[in-house]
Amino acid sequence: GQQLNQSPQSMFIQEGEDVSMNCTSSSIFNTWLWYKQDPGEGPVLLIALYKAGELTSNGRLTAQFGITRKDSFLNISASIPSDVGIYFCAGQGNTPLVFGKGTRLSVIA
Amino acid sequence: NAGVTQTPKFQVLKTGQSMTLQCAQDMNHEYMSWYRQDPGMGLRLIHYSVGAGITDQGEVPNGYNVSRSTTEDFPLRLLSAAPSQTSVYFCASSYSTKGLPYFGPGTRLTVT
Repeated sequence: GQQLNQSPQSMFIQEGEDVSMNCTSSSIFNTWLWYKQDPGEGPVLLIALYKAGELTSNGRLTAQFGITRKDSFLNISASIPSDVGIYFCAGQGNTPLVFGKGTRLSVIA
Repeated sequence: NAGVTQTPKFQVLKTGQSMTLQCAQDMNHEYMSWYRQDPGMGLRLIHYSVGAGITDQGEVPNGYNVSRSTTEDFPLRLLSAAPSQTSVYFCASSYSTKGLPYFGPGTRLTVT
């Protein structure tokens, strides 16, 4: 099946720092999604991207749909303690949604 | 509007037991799906349904059955639980196959 490579696997950062994570795929996707999961909860949608080259922001979060349609990145600016969690990318093409393995973010106050 | 609801939240089963994980949505979404989440593996698709009466297999369907008799409900059945099915199970729904999936809160299942 389709595979998404998400990196880094985990990050430890200081409060106030910026964060960047990305996903790459061997397949082309029509939609890229970014989710955040808090402990004990289901994933919550953060940003949806629909067009190659699209750059979308949601507060301190910014995500881009790669030009090749095979990659996407998520940036978090000025991190705060509540940014802690697992971030997942997901890609959708002609098959059901495929998820990356997640980036676990820890923020040190 | 409750969104996507899942019951139970926690369950412990013995090997060989059967059970059904319930999922319901009140958003009139056509597309529903089940994922399992294991440490370091992300979310893997078990089964999905594009509408009432239609189901299909995902990436890891073995050991699980589903049915979709109504638009609102999409139960996941384990006929004979195995320790390898210990996991957190998430149900998701969206307006269509191209829609944005919304996830339920999950069911944490332990099989001993």
